[in-house]
Amino acid sequence: DVKVTQSSRYLVKRTGEKVFLECVQDMDHENMFWYRQDPGLGLRLIYFSYDVKMKEKGDIPEGYSVSREKKERFSLILESASTNQTSMYLCASSLLSAVGEETQYFGPGTRLLVL
Amino acid sequence: GDSVTQMEGPVTLSEEAFLTINCTYTATGYPSLFWYVQYPGEGLQLLLKATKADDKGSNKGFEATYRKETTSFHLEKGSVQVSDSAVYFCALVYNQGGKLIFGQGTELSVKP
Repeated sequence: DVKVTQSSRYLVKRTGEKVFLECVQDMDHENMFWYRQDPGLGLRLIYFSYDVKMKEKGDIPEGYSVSREKKERFSLILESASTNQTSMYLCASSLLSAVGEETQYFGPGTRLLVL
Repeated sequence: GDSVTQMEGPVTLSEEAFLTINCTYTATGYPSLFWYVQYPGEGLQLLLKATKADDKGSNKGFEATYRKETTSFHLEKGSVQVSDSAVYFCALVYNQGGKLIFGQGTELSVKP
């Protein structure tokens, strides 16, 4: 069965802290994605990666960075957390395949509160 | 730019009612279209998809038809159940590589 796991379901951090969100998939997928989900805004893409050590900016990369040292793991880093980064963070993965076949598999999400 | 617009929620229905959630899109070329569902406390999961015009995606009693002429992909179900209560997201792939663009989501609440 397909599985994407995220390191925490809930996190509370203070403004200015460095925050690491971890995502692991066990499906040998090439593509991995980080989104944030906010009420009324749907999901917005932060960063994605097509391969190990490779990363691309999404629509809202400011204030975030990522790391992909191994194929199965994709980390989201908040260099200095701010209150406007309070959100639900969702990780997803998919196979590198033809257009139209890109079913993404999502983790359960990490709800981050920055105080 | 490419975008997806969904009807606003929340939508509240009684069990066995007919459901329609509207979704329209703007995109260059011919995107693939998806409906994802998010049950309370969970991540998103694919509900159905359509990859070309006039295709109909279906799953768990839900259906959606890719209408190029109206740039729409409306989600329908003939008889909803309490267990269908969730947030539904319409999405499109706007270029090769799997980057999805999502609508804002529509919350559905089904009452017994």
